[in-house]
Amino acid sequence: TQTVSQSDAHVTVFEGDSVELRCNYSYGGSIYLSWYIQHHGRGLQFLLKYYSGNPVVQGVNGFEAEFSKSDSSFHLRKASVHWSDSAVYFCAVSATSSGQKLVFGQGTILKVYL
Amino acid sequence: EAAVTQSPRSKVAVTGGKVTLSCHQTNNHDYMYWYRQDTGHGLRLIHYSYVADSTEKGDIPDGYKASRPSQENFSLILELASLSQTAVYFCASSPRLGGQNTLYFGAGTRLSVL
Repeated sequence: TQTVSQSDAHVTVFEGDSVELRCNYSYGGSIYLSWYIQHHGRGLQFLLKYYSGNPVVQGVNGFEAEFSKSDSSFHLRKASVHWSDSAVYFCAVSATSSGQKLVFGQGTILKVYL
Repeated sequence: EAAVTQSPRSKVAVTGGKVTLSCHQTNNHDYMYWYRQDTGHGLRLIHYSYVADSTEKGDIPDGYKASRPSQENFSLILELASLSQTAVYFCASSPRLGGQNTLYFGAGTRLSVL
């Protein structure tokens, strides 16, 4: 069974700051890792995903994430945040053997102040 | 534009009553999912479907039934609604190939059971 942990429930930064949202997973087999964003009152939207190859993957709106097998992590980063990046961010994992059943972390609320 | 549409957007139900949440997708995707979102728990998978006329149990299926009468439509049924089923419910779809493990979500249905 795969699990996902997002250790920070809340992250607060100022516009223009860099930010890293942390995600750790546990599963011994082949997996997909992904990040989703949820703006207030909306459904989740896909940001990016990793399966294999270059451990740094680029997503929309300047987001990127880096996979680390040794740390069992898939942290999301952005070099310069905008106030519109304020949202809840979810990390998700799915085993390639599980038929696209995603398991989501608890979410990290990112608040960007002007 | 491809879309996942949920109805109703919000609903108030009485304990013991029957509730049906509907989902319609125009993505031409094979896979569809129902998740529930509770504060502090992220999203949890209730039921999913790989093909019309077939559904599978997710991680928390108790108290819920699902129906997939066509590729486009996927319903979640609460035969006897309970207070503990108050939550936000999200429907999602994903392609079987060429973009698998990328979920497209609806806007959600906020269900309050009184």
